[in-house]
Amino acid sequence: AQKVTQAQTEISVVEKEDVTLDCVYETRDTTYYLFWYKQPPSGELVFLIRRNSFDEQNEISGRYSWNFQKSTSSFNFTITASQVVDSAVYFCALIIIQGAQKLVFGQGTRLTINP
Amino acid sequence: EAQVTQNPRYLITVTGKKLTVTCSQNMNHEYMSWYRQDPGLGLRQIYYSMNVEVTDKGDVPEGYKVSRKEKRNFPLILESPSPNQTSLYFCASRKLQGMNTEAFFGQGTRLTVV
Repeated sequence: AQKVTQAQTEISVVEKEDVTLDCVYETRDTTYYLFWYKQPPSGELVFLIRRNSFDEQNEISGRYSWNFQKSTSSFNFTITASQVVDSAVYFCALIIIQGAQKLVFGQGTRLTINP
Repeated sequence: EAQVTQNPRYLITVTGKKLTVTCSQNMNHEYMSWYRQDPGLGLRQIYYSMNVEVTDKGDVPEGYKVSRKEKRNFPLILESPSPNQTSLYFCASRKLQGMNTEAFFGQGTRLTVV
């Protein structure tokens, strides 16, 4: 069975600090996709990034960066120079591309950026 | 604009009164699913559908029904709601194959059963 663990339930930092959200996943399959979603206070789920299991290249998008390491089954998310607007719940998720293809979510990390 | 539309956004109902939450997508996605979000439990899948007339149970299907008569619509039906179904519900859709497999989510429906 697949599992996603976000050990950090809540994180609180002061604006402009860098912050890393951890995500560890479990699967026996070799072909899978990993995702990060953002849920702002308004409640919707916003897609941030997709990464497939064959692509370990790190990605940077503005202040956001993602580090995918298959050796440790981790897909961590770093926000550089955090801003108050980054305050949200962030979810890491996993899909196995076979069978039911269920999107499995971690429990989420509530990130609060204080001014 | 590509989107998943859920209605209603907010609903307060009484125990036992049947209700339907509608979900529609305009991206021609094969795969649609329903999730509920509860504090401390994250998002859990209720039902999913891989195509028209094909539906199957997710992790927490008890007390819910779905149908997929058209590709774009995937309503969630609560025949006899109970207070433990008070939750935030999300409908999602995505392509079944190919690289762009991310799920698109509706705005959410906050349901309270009293």
